Amino acid sequence: EAQVTQNPRYLITVTGKKLTVTCSQNMNHEYMSWYRQDPGLGLRQIYYSMNVEVTDKGDVPEGYKVSRKEKRNFPLILESPSPNQTSLYFCASSLRGRQPQHFGDGTRLSIL
Amino acid sequence: GQQLNQSPQSMFIQEGEDVSMNCTSSSIFNTWLWYKQDPGEGPVLLIALYKAGELTSNGRLTAQFGITRKDSFLNISASIPSDVGIYFCAGQLYGSSNTGKLIFGQGTTLQVKP
Repeated sequence: EAQVTQNPRYLITVTGKKLTVTCSQNMNHEYMSWYRQDPGLGLRQIYYSMNVEVTDKGDVPEGYKVSRKEKRNFPLILESPSPNQTSLYFCASSLRGRQPQHFGDGTRLSIL
Repeated sequence: GQQLNQSPQSMFIQEGEDVSMNCTSSSIFNTWLWYKQDPGEGPVLLIALYKAGELTSNGRLTAQFGITRKDSFLNISASIPSDVGIYFCAGQLYGSSNTGKLIFGQGTTLQVKP
């Protein structure tokens, strides 16, 4: 089954404790992206990747890092999480950058 | 940055009624997309529109890409309880490096009374 898989689905942690949210897709998609969803703001892009080893900032990249060492994986790294990063996070992928993106089921992060 | 204005913010309708929602922008987009999000899940693509003026249907759903490329609407006919959820519009911009940045509206929350 074609899918975008995120882990964990839920995480409660404390300020400053490094965490990684993994994202994996099995569709051989070139383009992958991370979004955060906050009430009243819709989804906003954090980072995206056009292909392996090619990443770039989205609209809200501060406090986040990403890497794309393999085509299928695109982890989101919070080196020193803060409470304002409490949010619902989505990973998405598409075959190419200009095609509709398919989303994972989300990761709810709470930073205390 | 670019913004999309999606309206209405929420709707509470009776089963069987038709629904209409729309998105407007001050910017031109290359593609318009409509997604639906169910509780606890990620957005699922409903309809993709690629040309100004294009009218596309997917079952009871119909969406149009505005002539000016700055707006789009989504209609749902004969609503049923499983239509409940949050509907998002998204405009897609094609960058010079083949990027496809998505700009999302704030969402329309739809509730259907049986």
